[in-house]
Amino acid sequence: LAKTTQPISMDSYEGQEVNITCSHNNIATNDYITWYQQFPSQGPRFIIQGYKTKVTNEVASLFIPADRKSSTLSLPRVSLSDTAVYYCLVGALNTPLVFGKGTRLSVIA
Amino acid sequence: DSGVTQTPKHLITATGQRVTLRCSPRSGDLSVYWYQQSLDQGLQFLIQYYNGEERAKGNILERFSAQQFPDLHSELNLSSLELGDSALYFCASSAPSIVGGPGDTQYFGPGTRLTVL
Repeated sequence: LAKTTQPISMDSYEGQEVNITCSHNNIATNDYITWYQQFPSQGPRFIIQGYKTKVTNEVASLFIPADRKSSTLSLPRVSLSDTAVYYCLVGALNTPLVFGKGTRLSVIA
Repeated sequence: DSGVTQTPKHLITATGQRVTLRCSPRSGDLSVYWYQQSLDQGLQFLIQYYNGEERAKGNILERFSAQQFPDLHSELNLSSLELGDSALYFCASSAPSIVGGPGDTQYFGPGTRLTVL
């Protein structure tokens, strides 16, 4: 399973765009890139998933360069309620998720 | 609400005891995963079932066992409990993936907080 590296923590002000980059140099051909959000004492919540190029949904965008060795989660106009831990994961279909330490995002008023 | 339910929400027990955690997956999901989250180890995969059959095993102790029943709900049994087993236990479920389509998305339940005294 590919290992991921992401910043331990980030701070942002409300209303700003936040970009969290994750590196996964050993990503395999069959691996997808998935981001989860977790609030304290709650289960991780799926945010977005992609394989290549750009994916956008109602809450975030995911940018994946051609070599797929990294990815960037973009959260537009964050609010205080976006304060959480964000996990970047890579893996093939129907395989267990391997969670790293995640990025602790703190949004400041 | 992810659609995955877990019971009980909280469980307090003593060392040496045995407990059972229950998970009901989202309607239609065939895969169930169990994860353990402790302060020092983070989120760790324990075991996966697919349509009643064990599919993958992670860092699950021999004192722990699980099964998935014909109605697709799953139970995680923890026995000879130790203080270090205190953690949040999450269940996740996913639907069968479409070959060539997006990877399966795992939806997590609210978790069961186990405290071993």
